[in-house]
Amino acid sequence: AQSVTQLGSHVSVSEGALVLLRCNYSSSVPPYLFWYVQYPNQGLQLLLKYTSAATLVKGINGFEAEFKKSETSFHLTKPSAHMSDAAEYFCAVRDTGRRALTFGSGTRLQVQP
Amino acid sequence: NAGVTQTPKFRVLKTGQSMTLLCAQDMNHEYMYWYRQDPGMGLRLIHYSVGEGTTAKGEVPDGYNVSRLKKQNFLLGLESAAPSQTSVYFCAVGRAGERYNEQFFGPGTRLTVL
Repeated sequence: AQSVTQLGSHVSVSEGALVLLRCNYSSSVPPYLFWYVQYPNQGLQLLLKYTSAATLVKGINGFEAEFKKSETSFHLTKPSAHMSDAAEYFCAVRDTGRRALTFGSGTRLQVQP
Repeated sequence: NAGVTQTPKFRVLKTGQSMTLLCAQDMNHEYMYWYRQDPGMGLRLIHYSVGEGTTAKGEVPDGYNVSRLKKQNFLLGLESAAPSQTSVYFCAVGRAGERYNEQFFGPGTRLTVL
């Protein structure tokens, strides 16, 4: 079975500071990994996905994530936080058995002015 | 081109009442999913469908039923609502034959059971 663990349910950064949201995965097969963002009272929007083509994946809104097999990690980063980045972020891994996604518990990002 | 829509957006039920949530898509994708979102628990899969006329159980199926009579619609039913079913429900769709199962989400339905 596949699973993901997001470390830190809440992260607070200052505007302009580095954003780092952590995700570790567990998978018995090569994983396909995703980061989704959820703005208040909205659905989930895909930020980026890892499909084994490249270990550094660039997404929308300046976000990127690096797949590190040795660390079983897929952390999400952005060099400079913007107020509009305040949202909840979910890491997910493909569930090969159900052809669905298994989600982490989410990290709420707060950006301070 | 609406993508994935959900009806209704909000609903309040009393314990024991029944209701149906509708998910509709115009993306022509084969796979459809129902998730529930609860604070601190991320999204959990309730039921899913890999094609018209087929459904399967997810991680938390108890108390829910589903039907996929048409490719573009996926219905989630609560026969006898319980307060534990207070949640935000999301529908998602995905393409068949794709290795990594990228999913596209609807805006959600917020359900409160009193």
